Amino acid sequence: DAKTTQPNSMESNEEEPVHLPCNHSTISGTDYIHWYRQLPSQGPEYVIHGLTSNVNNRMASLAIAEDRKSSTLILHRATLRDAAVYYCILRDYMEYGNKLVFGAGTILRVKS
Amino acid sequence: EAGVAQSPRYKIIEKRQSVAFWCNPISGHATLYWYQQILGQGPKLLIQFQNNGVVDDSQLPKDRFSAERLKGVDSTLKIQPAKLEDSAVYLCASSLEGRATGELFFGEGSRLTVL
Repeated sequence: DAKTTQPNSMESNEEEPVHLPCNHSTISGTDYIHWYRQLPSQGPEYVIHGLTSNVNNRMASLAIAEDRKSSTLILHRATLRDAAVYYCILRDYMEYGNKLVFGAGTILRVKS
Repeated sequence: EAGVAQSPRYKIIEKRQSVAFWCNPISGHATLYWYQQILGQGPKLLIQFQNNGVVDDSQLPKDRFSAERLKGVDSTLKIQPAKLEDSAVYLCASSLEGRATGELFFGEGSRLTVL
């Protein structure tokens, strides 16, 4: 499975933007970049995914480097409810089953 | 829309005892996953079903863990006999199908403590 590298933890102030980085230097052309987050005592939840172009949805934006070796999840205005573990995951659409393999993720702390 | 249901939420057993966890996925979701999450780590995939067939069980410790998905709907994960290192949260997830763009929906998990 292709690997991703994320910082162990980050801290942000409430109502400020947050940029969560992810390195995936061994990404293949058939890997989608997915982000999930896990709030305390809950199962992970989907945030966003992309292949080559930047993506926006109601929760966040995903900025993908031109060479696809890195990406950044952007939370435009962090709230206390955004405090969670954020996982950056590569998912190969050519692989049978397209399994989702989690790493350790980034713990995001939001200060009021 | 009802989410993924799991039970029990909490279970405490002695080592060498057995335990079973149940999952009811979102209606119509063909793909079902069981993950194990040890404290402080990301979830680890144990088994993936497509309808009632196994797609991937390479990480399932088959000497003690078993899982089935009857009629392609509900699923049960069993551990027999349990070891101390099986203490973890067991997460069930489902998706409409197993495409790489498909969103996984997770349940709240079943927390197992083995004493």
